[in-house]
Amino acid sequence: GDSVTQMEGPVTLSEEAFLTINCTYTATGYPSLFWYVQYPGEGLQLLLKATKADDKGSNKGFEATYRKETTSFHLEKGSVQVSDSAVYFCALKGANRDDKIIFGKGTRLHILP
Amino acid sequence: DAGVTQSPTHLIKTRGQQVTLRCSPKSGHDTVSWYQQALGQGPQFIFQYYEEEERQRGNFPDRFSGHQFPNYSSELNVNALLLGDSALYLCASSLGRGYTFGSGTRLTVV
Repeated sequence: GDSVTQMEGPVTLSEEAFLTINCTYTATGYPSLFWYVQYPGEGLQLLLKATKADDKGSNKGFEATYRKETTSFHLEKGSVQVSDSAVYFCALKGANRDDKIIFGKGTRLHILP
Repeated sequence: DAGVTQSPTHLIKTRGQQVTLRCSPKSGHDTVSWYQQALGQGPQFIFQYYEEEERQRGNFPDRFSGHQFPNYSSELNVNALLLGDSALYLCASSLGRGYTFGSGTRLTVV
């Protein structure tokens, strides 16, 4: 079945460092890909998405490119801030209307001032 | 425009009890999905409701059941609670491809 694998955390970086969180997926067809963020004690917020190959999703300085040839959707940010500390989930959803969202296990990010 | 509303936000139950969680979808959304997020894990799909019927189900026992009402709101019921049912329960509503998640209900079973 479809699945998502993302790098294990925690990831600890200093403020203004470059961030990469790796994500690869296994899926049939052409899924949509997502990154969600979860701040402490809160629910999930959609950070960015891409719906087809070579699409780049971006939001709040974060970017991820849908790479079908490598089945990857790595999350990047050029200069992280303390406020980016959270748990990040990579996810996919199949092309059918009623397909469920499948999540990775999450990567906890700590940014040190 | 209100997003997805879940209630209650927190609750504590005793092992063996039953619990009902509620979800009001985003305006205009007709499909509701429920997810369980155990501590330190990603959300796991429980089931999805559309037109008041369960359309898909994940790998959860029959102790987990649900309902969708004509106004598209939904309930998740869990019977015979186990300690392992302690988790954040997330509701997501959708219309077509776009999903919106609620803030969740944190259930603690003692």
